[in-house]
Amino acid sequence: QKEVEQDPGPLSVPEGAIVSLNCTYSNSAFQYFMWYRQYSRKGPELLMYTYSSGNKEDGRFTAQVDKSSKYISLFIRDSQPSDSATYLCAMRVGGGADGLTFGKGTHLIIQP
Amino acid sequence: KAGVTQTPRYLIKTRGQQVTLSCSPISGHRSVSWYQQTPGQGLQFLFEYFSETQRNKGNFPGRFSGRQFSNSRSEMNVSTLELGDSALYLCASSFVLAADTQYFGPGTRLTVL
Repeated sequence: QKEVEQDPGPLSVPEGAIVSLNCTYSNSAFQYFMWYRQYSRKGPELLMYTYSSGNKEDGRFTAQVDKSSKYISLFIRDSQPSDSATYLCAMRVGGGADGLTFGKGTHLIIQP
Repeated sequence: KAGVTQTPRYLIKTRGQQVTLSCSPISGHRSVSWYQQTPGQGLQFLFEYFSETQRNKGNFPGRFSGRQFSNSRSEMNVSTLELGDSALYLCASSFVLAADTQYFGPGTRLTVL
């Protein structure tokens, strides 16, 4: 079992829909959780960062962390075609000696 | 403020050769991390440098090495290239060591023939 599991998709939704992206993990020592967006032929871009459990909102994006279930989510409201990209979850243990551990990414397609 | 830059952007090598990739972090950032991205394994942590010293290391063979210069610029070297080393190599910079917010460059696409 990989440390971080993420459905690769593709996930295709119509413009304006609410998108839900998820990751599960097995290492209970993860304390820091991030979401990155990666467009084709580009490096990952940090979207959201949360520490421990709880919710965080930034514009159309909401990140949720449920440490008891080892489950994190990213919600995108009013999705736009420009949101079409691969979304990667990433996690880090406190102290972070092992760098970031990434999911493999979900390929999201927003249909105009 | 300029972002993370990586050179070259594309590289083709043959098995057995060695390669050096370069990364310039965001101005003021002192930590540089390297990652390998492949379709099969996704993004995997290689190592992190801070103040010219390797501080953290992922689970990669010794053929993968790096260094950091006094201006925080970093290079990564892969010796005795194998076909499986074909990947996108990403560099990320941050202000401090083991930071949770890392900023990635566009990557170097290495193809080993």
